[in-house]
Amino acid sequence: AQSVTQPDIHITVSEGASLELRCNYSYGATPYLFWYVQSPGQGLQLLLKYFSGDTLVQGIKGFEAEFKRSQSSFNLRKPSVHWSDAAEYFCAVGVRYGGATNKLIFGTGTLLAVQP
Amino acid sequence: EPEVTQTPSHQVTQMGQEVILRCVPISNHLYFYWYRQILGQKVEFLVSFYNNEISEKSEIFDDQFSVERPDGSNFTLKIRSTKLEDSAMYFCASSESGTTDDGYTFGSGTRLTVV
Repeated sequence: AQSVTQPDIHITVSEGASLELRCNYSYGATPYLFWYVQSPGQGLQLLLKYFSGDTLVQGIKGFEAEFKRSQSSFNLRKPSVHWSDAAEYFCAVGVRYGGATNKLIFGTGTLLAVQP
Repeated sequence: EPEVTQTPSHQVTQMGQEVILRCVPISNHLYFYWYRQILGQKVEFLVSFYNNEISEKSEIFDDQFSVERPDGSNFTLKIRSTKLEDSAMYFCASSESGTTDDGYTFGSGTRLTVV
């Protein structure tokens, strides 16, 4: 069965420090992987996605993620965190039917707090 | 940038009452979705909708739930007789292509509290 695990429920980092949010997935085929961010009162915004090709993908707001098939992981990173990055981050895998991605299976999310 | 709009942002209802959650998808999108997140749990797929019919629904989406596109702009989720366990954040999303290749556009959610 398809699933996504985000082991860290809550992470606190200092502003300017580097960040890595962990995501592990279980999916029988080549996964389509996504990271979404939800700021307070906002919807889920797509940060980045991986379908194929280069395993290091760049996203918006200075985020990147690396797909590692051997570890079934898709960790999100940012070299220097800004206070505005405080939000909840969701990893998701796309479940495909007939070649198209029809629904997302999400992890439980990681809540990021940023200390001044 | 086009948005998916959900109303209300927060709704409180009594157990057993009917509730309708409303969404206005992006105007040129043809595929619509509802997801929900119970506090502290995962965001879960409920239903997808295309061409005025349900494309797929999850096990959660039982007979108490229904979706409708009553006009050219709104997409609604109805819960006929709410239960305490229906308390959750409900997200609407829309897609132009029916895939998440470009990433769905999600609304900001409706927090439903059943008391």
